[in-house]
Amino acid sequence: QQQVKQSPQSLIVQKGGISIINCAYENTAFDYFPWYQQFPGKGPALLIAIRPDVSEKKEGRFTISFNKSAKQFSLHIMDSQPGDSATYFCAGINAGGTSYGKLTFGQGTILTVHP
Amino acid sequence: DGGITQSPKYLFRKEGQNVTLSCEQNLNHDAMYWYRQDPGQGLRLIYYSQIVNDFQKGDIAEGYSVSREKKESFPLTVTSAQKNPTAFYLCASSGRIRGQGEKLFFGSGTQLSVL
Repeated sequence: QQQVKQSPQSLIVQKGGISIINCAYENTAFDYFPWYQQFPGKGPALLIAIRPDVSEKKEGRFTISFNKSAKQFSLHIMDSQPGDSATYFCAGINAGGTSYGKLTFGQGTILTVHP
Repeated sequence: DGGITQSPKYLFRKEGQNVTLSCEQNLNHDAMYWYRQDPGQGLRLIYYSQIVNDFQKGDIAEGYSVSREKKESFPLTVTSAQKNPTAFYLCASSGRIRGQGEKLFFGSGTQLSVL
């Protein structure tokens, strides 16, 4: 199975700091890379996503950096806030080739932002 | 969450018992999915359905069964053949959002535990 490897497994950041979560993928057919945010007892929600034709995408305090040659992408959370404390999942999919929901997910990162 | 309702929120299974998890969506989406979430393993696809009366096995279908008799409903049965059923189960649906492409929406999940 083509995997998406995510690190770190857990991350502790002080309020106002930068949170960085990294992912690496194997399947070169992937053409869509979303990040999901999940709060305890809830389902994941789409946070931000990128396609491999761009190297960076920014939405507010959240930025995805994408390195196609290295098959790696990362999520940066600027000015991290306690309300950002959640589990974050990266994922990949060949969006044009199969059922959209057949995402391959990373293992998840538990982010804790201390006040 | 996003028009997807999962019930119950908590479910307990006795050994040898089959249990059914409910998933209903009012988003008019054709495609629906079941994921299993275990700590440190991300989300893994159990079954998916792209249209009524049709469904496909995902990566970990053994010990599970589904039906798709109505567009709105995609129940998951955890059978006695599933020897390690304790997990958080997430139902999702996908649909195209004008100007944003296709998106995946999750329910709030069902926590299944073995007595």
